[in-house]
Amino acid sequence: GAGVSQSPRYKVAKRGQDVALRCDPISGHVSLFWYQQALGQGPEFLTYFQNEAQLDKSGLPSDRFFAERPEGSVSTLKIQRTQQEDSAVYLCASSLYITAGTEAFFGQGTRLTVV
Amino acid sequence: DAKTTQPPSMDCAEGRAANLPCNHSTISGNEYVYWYRQIHSQGPQYIIHGLKNNETNEMASLIITEDRKSSTLILPHATLRDTAVYYCIVKDDNQGGKLIFGQGTELSVKP
Repeated sequence: GAGVSQSPRYKVAKRGQDVALRCDPISGHVSLFWYQQALGQGPEFLTYFQNEAQLDKSGLPSDRFFAERPEGSVSTLKIQRTQQEDSAVYLCASSLYITAGTEAFFGQGTRLTVV
Repeated sequence: DAKTTQPPSMDCAEGRAANLPCNHSTISGNEYVYWYRQIHSQGPQYIIHGLKNNETNEMASLIITEDRKSSTLILPHATLRDTAVYYCIVKDDNQGGKLIFGQGTELSVKP
């Protein structure tokens, strides 16, 4: 596809359940980012990959959050033992390079609701 | 924390120019100014970016002051589809290219 694709678009999880969110970046894009967006707020950075290397995970809120990009393309964000405060839209973005002056392309996001 | 300050909301009449201001008084020499917008229930969309000079593309114009402490995004002929939250972001190379979003400006284009 031409853009960043995320799946599923919507996920409802029972509290305590594990979830996995998938991101297919634009082909050839080196950088991949995950963001979390709570209702009415701007997106907040979670983690960043350069190819398969996770170079920054400073935004992950707890050790229940784990992200991987094993072959440098598709990425998965996993949340273990989900809590109600994890309810948010999870956005993935990719960009061709990492330097300033490079635009990032965002997917539509996955809306996670923990009940 | 975001390094930019934007008004929380603005209104604009359809067909008129929308001028969205942004203050970034602590910007450093190698940092770019980026603008993204987010239409309801969609991911953020890139609009434009600049370093020092004014920039124009098919979506908008970006005017950066000479001291680079503020900028203005201009949508020359706003339409109802331009209703969105507009984010002004200063991009720091030292943060690996990640974008630090603030609260943005909610632009309402009215008929």
